[in-house]
Amino acid sequence: GAGVSQSPRYKVAKRGQDVALRCDPISGHVSLFWYQQALGQGPEFLTYFQNEAQLDKSGLPSDRFFAERPEGSVSTLKIQRTQQEDSAVYLCASSLAHYDSSYEQYFGPGTRLTVT
Amino acid sequence: GQQVMQIPQYQHVQEGEDFTTYCNSSTTLSNIQWYKQRPGGHPVFLIQLVKSGEVKKQKRLTFQFGEAKKNSSLHITATQTTDVGTYFCPRLTSGTYKYIFGTGTRLKVLA
Repeated sequence: GAGVSQSPRYKVAKRGQDVALRCDPISGHVSLFWYQQALGQGPEFLTYFQNEAQLDKSGLPSDRFFAERPEGSVSTLKIQRTQQEDSAVYLCASSLAHYDSSYEQYFGPGTRLTVT
Repeated sequence: GQQVMQIPQYQHVQEGEDFTTYCNSSTTLSNIQWYKQRPGGHPVFLIQLVKSGEVKKQKRLTFQFGEAKKNSSLHITATQTTDVGTYFCPRLTSGTYKYIFGTGTRLKVLA
């Protein structure tokens, strides 16, 4: 079956531009995570959705970052007024059940964002 | 607070040598998961361990959960170039939805 997909795979933005990154999780997966991964580092948690509810956004680095999952399936991560430090790979992961059920996370291929 | 350390951070081995990475926690874990990320790729789930003293094998990979459920190891026998990548044991921060991956253990295999 289809895995987690993300689009675009690559995005180049000029500093100050807004960007929107899309994640299509595996159908039926309740949990959805967004992570930011800088070069040579592990994924850093950004935010968590359980269905359409954003239950944790403690990892969002600033109020320029906004995420939504309005119908409990597709999610969008929006970054306003991009800065060079936003350059990273943005990973989306989905999981079958609630966060504390310890189901494995299925990751998408990521979106590599470069801010020039 | 809960501290989990993964060691070593880096390991270079000759192809055919064995390799082990460890996750050590200051508190008891309910379970532990292992993921692998190849260079340029995304993390891929390998396994989950739940029971005290549990040992699971996947071909040349052996995963172990300590008796006290505070540590875990991943051992690769006779490494191959396909084993190259970074291995993570993420943990859930107690009381939150936040998974911490850390920097993992980066394995390089020299042919």
